[in-house]
Amino acid sequence: EAQVTQNPRYLITVTGKKLTVTCSQNMNHEYMSWYRQDPGLGLRQIYYSMNVEVTDKGDVPEGYKVSRKEKRNFPLILESPSPNQTSLYFCASSKMPGAGANVLTFGAGSRLTVL
Amino acid sequence: DAKTTQPPSMDCAEGRAANLPCNHSTISGNEYVYWYRQIHSQGPQYIIHGLKNNETNEMASLIITEDRKSSTLILPHATLRDTAVYYCIVRVASPQGAQKLVFGQGTRLTINP
Repeated sequence: EAQVTQNPRYLITVTGKKLTVTCSQNMNHEYMSWYRQDPGLGLRQIYYSMNVEVTDKGDVPEGYKVSRKEKRNFPLILESPSPNQTSLYFCASSKMPGAGANVLTFGAGSRLTVL
Repeated sequence: DAKTTQPPSMDCAEGRAANLPCNHSTISGNEYVYWYRQIHSQGPQYIIHGLKNNETNEMASLIITEDRKSSTLILPHATLRDTAVYYCIVRVASPQGAQKLVFGQGTRLTINP
């Protein structure tokens, strides 16, 4: 089944404890992206990647890192999490280029709580 | 990017057609209209997209006005499982367009039994 898989789905951690949210897709998509969703603010893009070793900042990149060493994986790294990073996180991927570029497949989400 | 305007909420009876409007009066010639939906806190789900012509797939139909300034997503026989937030997005169909797909507040559609 074509899908985007995120782990963990739920995580409670403490301030300053480094964590990584993994994202993997099995569709051979070039494009991958991370979003966070907060009440009243909608979905906001954190980082995106157009291909292996190519990443760029989205709207809210502060406090996050990403890497794209392999085409299928795009982990989101919180080096020193803070309570304002408590949120629901989504990873998404799509093929490129053309009209299919904006047909994103989303993961099921990772709910992160930072105490 | 063209700005989109959607009603914040709508209700529809189960089994009836749900018609969700979207205004995009500043859309440019190379921008597509995309629709996604998000059921509760699940990941958003792609529904349909189009440029000029009306489109239909197994989930829905997309009707785009001739001047392309507005569109309507039609769920022909709404079920309770169609209760979700529906997002209308206008974006160029290119890698650059995919860089920042902006999800607004959408329309919260409630299907009533």
